[in-house]
Order: sequence, then C-alpha cells, then structure tokens
Amino acid sequence: AQSVTQPDIHITVSEGASLELRCNYSYGATPYLFWYVQSPGQGLQLLLKYFSGDTLVQGIKGFEAEFKRSQSSFNLRKPSVHWSDAAEYFCAVGPMDSSYKLIFGSGTRLLVRP
Amino acid sequence: DAGVTQSPTHLIKTRGQHVTLRCSPISGHKSVSWYQQVLGQGPQFIFQYYEKEERGRGNFPDRFSARQFPNYSSELNVNALLLGDSALYLCASSLALHTTGGNTIYFGEGSWLTVV
Repeated sequence: AQSVTQPDIHITVSEGASLELRCNYSYGATPYLFWYVQSPGQGLQLLLKYFSGDTLVQGIKGFEAEFKRSQSSFNLRKPSVHWSDAAEYFCAVGPMDSSYKLIFGSGTRLLVRP
Repeated sequence: DAGVTQSPTHLIKTRGQHVTLRCSPISGHKSVSWYQQVLGQGPQFIFQYYEKEERGRGNFPDRFSARQFPNYSSELNVNALLLGDSALYLCASSLALHTTGGNTIYFGEGSWLTVV
C-alpha cells in the first residue's frame, strides 16, 4: 500500500540551529514528492517538490530536500531556523500518471526556542 | 491574481444535517481537488474534478459528493453529518489533471467544519 511516514511528531530546535525533518515513503515506483508547510489555522503552502533530475531540491524560505531512492526518503533540511519557521510540516507523494491524488504523512510540528 | 478561495471559513452543524462547501480555483486552473484534514493528521484525498468530470475519488462514503461548474468552481456536499466529519476541508487547484511536467497544486486556507 502507498504510504508516507513522518516518524517525528514534534521537533524542537533553537533559533539559528540546523533542522532536518524526516520523510519515508512506500510506493510502487518513484513518485513525485512534496513538502508543504501549514501555519496554525492556515492552508498548505508548497515548500518544494521533486519530479526528476537533481536529487537535491531547493525550495522557498531557505529549505532544501534530498531524494534518496535507496532509502525511500525525502528529508527536508534548513541550515539555520528562524522563529517564523514554527509550523506543521507535511511530506506528500503523488502518482506520476493518474489523478492528482496526494498522499500525505501525518506531519511534524516544529517548535523553535528563542 | 487571487489564490484558491474557499467559503465559508468556519461553520457549525448538527449531526444528521447537510453541508455545502465552496471553492473557487486560481484563474485558469481547470482541476479542483478536495481533501479532509482531521485534527492532528495529514490531509486525505476525497475527490478530484477536471473539466467538470470526476477524475479521482478517495476512500470516503457516498455521503460525500462534489461537482464542478462551467466556471471551474466546485462544491463539496456532505449528507447525514457525523461527529467524525468534523475537520478542515481543503480545496486545491491545478492547471492540469496530472502531476506530470512539474504541474503544481495550490491549496486554499480551508473550511473548518464542526459537527455537534
């Protein structure tokens, strides 16, 4: 079955520290991969996406993610976290050939210490 | 240009009632998808409509239905509401049907439904 696992429910980092959010997926083939951010009471904003090519993807707000096929992972990273990055982060996978049905992980809530 | 707009933003309904949620996609986008996000979970796919036809359906009961209008706006209808239907309902739009070619999906801010 297709699934996305975000093993960390909560992560707390200090402002200025580096960040890595983990995402593992189970899929029959290489899917399209996404990271979204959701601030409290808000919808989802796309941070970055991977479709093909370079496995290191740059996104908005200084985020990047690396696709590792051998590990079925698509971890999100940021070298220096800002207080405004506190939010919920969702990893998602999407099929390559059918309707736009994204499968989301359960999310990781990021808390930032001053 | 305006993003994906949804209405109402918040509503409270009683068990057994019916609810209609509305969505206007980004101008030029022909595909609209609906997702349900229960508190503490990731969004779950409900429907996708493209060119007014249903193109995908998630694992939701027949109480959930949707339609897309000629102007590409969409409605999500839920009948016989249950307490478990309480959630944030997200609408998303995209230019094309598929995820190919870097086609991006954009989400609205959602409609918060509380069933009491």
